[in-house]
Amino acid sequence: GDSVTQMEGPVTLSEEAFLTINCTYTATGYPSLFWYVQYPGEGLQLLLKATKADDKGSNKGFEATYRKETTSFHLEKGSVQVSDSAVYFCALSANYGQNFVFGPGTRLSVLP
Amino acid sequence: DAGVTQSPTHLIKTRGQQVTLRCSPKSGHDTVSWYQQALGQGPQFIFQYYEEEERQRGNFPDRFSGHQFPNYSSELNVNALLLGDSALYLCASSLDSGTGTDTQYFGPGTRLTVL
Repeated sequence: GDSVTQMEGPVTLSEEAFLTINCTYTATGYPSLFWYVQYPGEGLQLLLKATKADDKGSNKGFEATYRKETTSFHLEKGSVQVSDSAVYFCALSANYGQNFVFGPGTRLSVLP
Repeated sequence: DAGVTQSPTHLIKTRGQQVTLRCSPKSGHDTVSWYQQALGQGPQFIFQYYEEEERQRGNFPDRFSGHQFPNYSSELNVNALLLGDSALYLCASSLDSGTGTDTQYFGPGTRLTVL
């Protein structure tokens, strides 16, 4: 079945460091890909998405490119802030969006 | 524009009891999905409702059931609660475009604790 694999955390960075969180997927067909963020005690918020190969999603300085050849959707940010501390989930939507499959999440801690 | 809302925010039950969780979708959305998120894990898909019917179901037992009302709001019911049902239950809404739904918007969740 469809699945999403993420790099294991936690990831601890200093403020202004470069961030990469790896995400790879397995799916039949051509899924849409998403990154969601979850702040402590809250639900999930959509961070960015890409719906087809080579699309780049971006938001709040975060970027991810849909790479069909490597089945990847790695999340990057050039300079992280303390306020970026959260859990990040990579997800795919297959079967015309009738269900989402999430990765296990990667916890990011940014230190001042 | 109100986002996805869920009630209650927290709930404590004992084993064997039954629970009902509620969700109101984002304005303009017609599809509601439910997820279970155990501590430290990613959300697991329970089922999705569209046009008041269950359209797809994840790998959850029949103790988990749901309903969608004409105003698109939804309920999740869990019978015969087990300790392992303790989790954050997330509701997500989306709009069916005719070729399927896409981006899902999540509510804040209901934290269920089973003692």
